[in-house]
Amino acid sequence: AQSVAQPEDQVNVAEGNPLTVKCTYSVSGNPYLFWYVQYPNRGLQFLLKYITGDNLVKGSYGFEAEFNKSQTSFHLKKPSALVSDSALYFCAVRDGGGGSYIPTFGRGTSLIVHP
Amino acid sequence: SQTIHQWPATLVQPVGSPLSLECTVEGTSNPNLYWYRQAAGRGLQLLFYSVGIGQISSEVPQNLSASRPQDRQFILSSKKLLLSDSGFYLCAWSGGPRNNEQFFGPGTRLTVL
Repeated sequence: AQSVAQPEDQVNVAEGNPLTVKCTYSVSGNPYLFWYVQYPNRGLQFLLKYITGDNLVKGSYGFEAEFNKSQTSFHLKKPSALVSDSALYFCAVRDGGGGSYIPTFGRGTSLIVHP
Repeated sequence: SQTIHQWPATLVQPVGSPLSLECTVEGTSNPNLYWYRQAAGRGLQLLFYSVGIGQISSEVPQNLSASRPQDRQFILSSKKLLLSDSGFYLCAWSGGPRNNEQFFGPGTRLTVL
């Protein structure tokens, strides 16, 4: 079984400050981890993924995420937030050990960046 | 490059009417295809997925059905809509298992009255 948790429904940050959106996961095998962003009334956009290799993954729009195996976390980060980063963020996990290739999505975290 | 299309963008339908939402993918072959529903509460619910023409897997028993008549075409249907079918419907595709990320269409906003 696989699951993912996004413990915060909403994250508020001031423009220019660093941001973190949290994600923890549970899988039986090796985790394949993903972050997506959704703007209002739009489809999800892929931001970045971790499959293997370096624990720090860099993605689109200046976002990065750090894979932490011991804490089973994959938090999304950005050094300096922009108002335009305000959106809904989804973490997803898939078990890379075989079986289903269907990912499980978290419930989403609403990021609000204040001017 | 690959693109994914969904139509219509918005739809208002009466209870009991039929439904047909279409999704097409360009620029790739033999994609895995998915239908999701996103309720107002934000979470994504996987409805159907397909690994090939005519191959449909249903995740949740419901009032909906899906078909894949062509390699890059995925259709979501209902014979009689319910109020609870309202939501934001998203189609997505992904490559084979080694190319894991999904790419989503723009979505269809369905309101059942």
